[in-house]
Amino acid sequence: AQSVTQLDSQVPVFEEAPVELRCNYSSSVSVYLFWYVQYPNQGLQLLLKYLSGSTLVKGINGFEAEFNKSQTSFHLRKPSVHISDTAEYFCAFLQGDYKLSFGAGTTVTVRA
Amino acid sequence: DARVTQTPRDKVTEMGQEVTMRCQPILGHNTVFWYRQTMMQGLELLAYFRNRAPLDDSGMPKDRFSAEMPDATLATLKIQPSEPRDSAVYFCASAQGTGGNTEAFFGQGTRLTVV
Repeated sequence: AQSVTQLDSQVPVFEEAPVELRCNYSSSVSVYLFWYVQYPNQGLQLLLKYLSGSTLVKGINGFEAEFNKSQTSFHLRKPSVHISDTAEYFCAFLQGDYKLSFGAGTTVTVRA
Repeated sequence: DARVTQTPRDKVTEMGQEVTMRCQPILGHNTVFWYRQTMMQGLELLAYFRNRAPLDDSGMPKDRFSAEMPDATLATLKIQPSEPRDSAVYFCASAQGTGGNTEAFFGQGTRLTVV
């Protein structure tokens, strides 16, 4: 079955420390992969996406992700987090040409 | 600043009552999605419209849910009768077209509580 799996449900991190959020995808999944962020009481916002080409994708707010075909992974990273990065992060893939299917989410809590 | 607008932001209703959630997509967007978010199921696609036509509502319980687009500026999601298990956050999203090169913009959601 097509799916993405987010390996960590919660990630606590100190301000200015790096963070990595892990996402693995099933090999049958299309290579259209996304990371979305949901701030408290808000809708989802696109951070970045991988469609093809360079495997290192840069997104908004200093985030980047690396598509790794051999590891079937699409991990999200930020070298130095801020308090304002506290949010829930979702890995997703495109099923067909319109259906976004999301992982279970990773809650990132940034502490001072 | 273009954004997807959803009303109401919060709704508390009694079991058995009708609930209507509204969404104003971004002007010019021809694709509208309804998603439901719960702790147990995460984010699920309920319905998908293209040029106001419902193309996929397979994720929606047909007996009590209905989704429509009376015009290009309004999408509605109705639940009748509502049940406690419908309690969730309902998101509307809109996009110009479909495919990996398009971006879906999400509204802030309607938090529904059915008691």
